[in-house]
Amino acid sequence: QSVLTQPPSVSAAPGQKVIISCSGSSSNIGNNYVSWYQQLPGTAPKLLIYDNNKRPSGIPDRFSGSKSGTSATLGITGLQTGDEADYYCGTWDTSLSAGLYVFGTGTKVTVL
Amino acid sequence: QVQLQESGPGLVKPSETLSLTCTVSGGSVSNDNKYWSWIRQPPGKGLEWIGYVYYSGNTNYNPSLKSRVTISVDTSKNQFSLKLTSVTAADTAVYYCARLHLYYDSSRPDYWGQGTLVTVS
Repeated sequence: QSVLTQPPSVSAAPGQKVIISCSGSSSNIGNNYVSWYQQLPGTAPKLLIYDNNKRPSGIPDRFSGSKSGTSATLGITGLQTGDEADYYCGTWDTSLSAGLYVFGTGTKVTVL
Repeated sequence: QVQLQESGPGLVKPSETLSLTCTVSGGSVSNDNKYWSWIRQPPGKGLEWIGYVYYSGNTNYNPSLKSRVTISVDTSKNQFSLKLTSVTAADTAVYYCARLHLYYDSSRPDYWGQGTLVTVS
């Protein structure tokens, strides 16, 4: 059972914008940087956003991230059919002594 | 460009041990602040972090699996491995190896293998 909660699905028409939320607590999002991953069907997850709002090389600026308190959001503008995928947030959780990496429940993005 | 590749049996019998190896190329497992991780994803479900090993041999495991998991590293071969004992059907999943960047409050699996499906049956 994941400690980070995401909406199961979001959808929008091509060219529109979607926002995906990720809700946690002070032991994870509240005190650690958040990352986001895109998982296209049948493939491994790919890092989209790290340290709340930074994009790795090659990731278009249509993807953006932010964090406030114990929640984070991923925004996708100019939605394309190729953006249909599952999206996961992730961060370190320090509720236990050694800590562990935790992922969100995942959100399926559908382009209408 | 760092690349990771999983290898190992795709079918394991219940109660036996699942063993996988990840071969790293384009980078060294001995890099500072890089932790070598295993992550799994049951069919149709979300991602679960299993644990990591540092090049020094230090490990950290998900408490939910800690009693059954061993992750080790072989710096001479630039590989790291996963062993999961006493498997059941609930351990059926795609297993990914990944490089975990971990430095103070910044953490992220930044490079992933393609994943390998392990079925327990």
